[in-house]
Amino acid sequence: EVQLVESGGGLVQSGGSLRLSCAASGFTFNIFEMNWVRQAPGKGLEWLSYIDGSGSTTYYADSVKGRVTISRDNAKNSLYLQMASLRAEDTAVYFCVRAPQSVMDVWGKGTTVIVSS
Amino acid sequence: DIQMTQSPSTLSASVGDRVTITCRASQTISSQLAWYQQKPGKAPKLLIYKASSLESGVPSRFSGSGSGTEFTLTVSSLQPDDFATYFCQQYSSFWTFGQGTKVEIK
Repeated sequence: EVQLVESGGGLVQSGGSLRLSCAASGFTFNIFEMNWVRQAPGKGLEWLSYIDGSGSTTYYADSVKGRVTISRDNAKNSLYLQMASLRAEDTAVYFCVRAPQSVMDVWGKGTTVIVSS
Repeated sequence: DIQMTQSPSTLSASVGDRVTITCRASQTISSQLAWYQQKPGKAPKLLIYKASSLESGVPSRFSGSGSGTEFTLTVSSLQPDDFATYFCQQYSSFWTFGQGTKVEIK
């Protein structure tokens, strides 16, 4: 079964840092592009970051550029999002998403980040 | 940046109704559009990609159409499991989602 399982969310103070992880299983991880998408409470979906299969190409949304770093470890079938200088507006559920040819076809259940001011 | 605008924001319908949701892109995106269904507390689920291609396992009552800047998602006969929020998304230039359409019980 194709599966993505996020972890690493939690309560963090404003200005703090957090590292989210995503464990992939059931597919050949290293050939798939991956993304992080978030959803603030009661709000819509916001794309945050992209990484290609090899990890050599990354993109970021303007809202998080300079504050987050996406990475992957293909040997561990894992995706990561390092977040720094967190703000109250970063409070959201963070989803790990598989995206072959840019189509977001498999989503994890999400991990919740709460930034307290 | 490409902006995506969905309408309506909320739609009240009954089981068996035909419902249509519209999505407009701020610039042409060819057919690089997907539709997702999301239920409370759950992750989004891919329904349609490339504007009109049905994802494997998705019921055939769901269909998508359009190209360029105007797109629609249609549910031919609404079922109880279909009451949810629907999002469109462009993937022509990075990724942008519409604000969502909540389909609620009339």
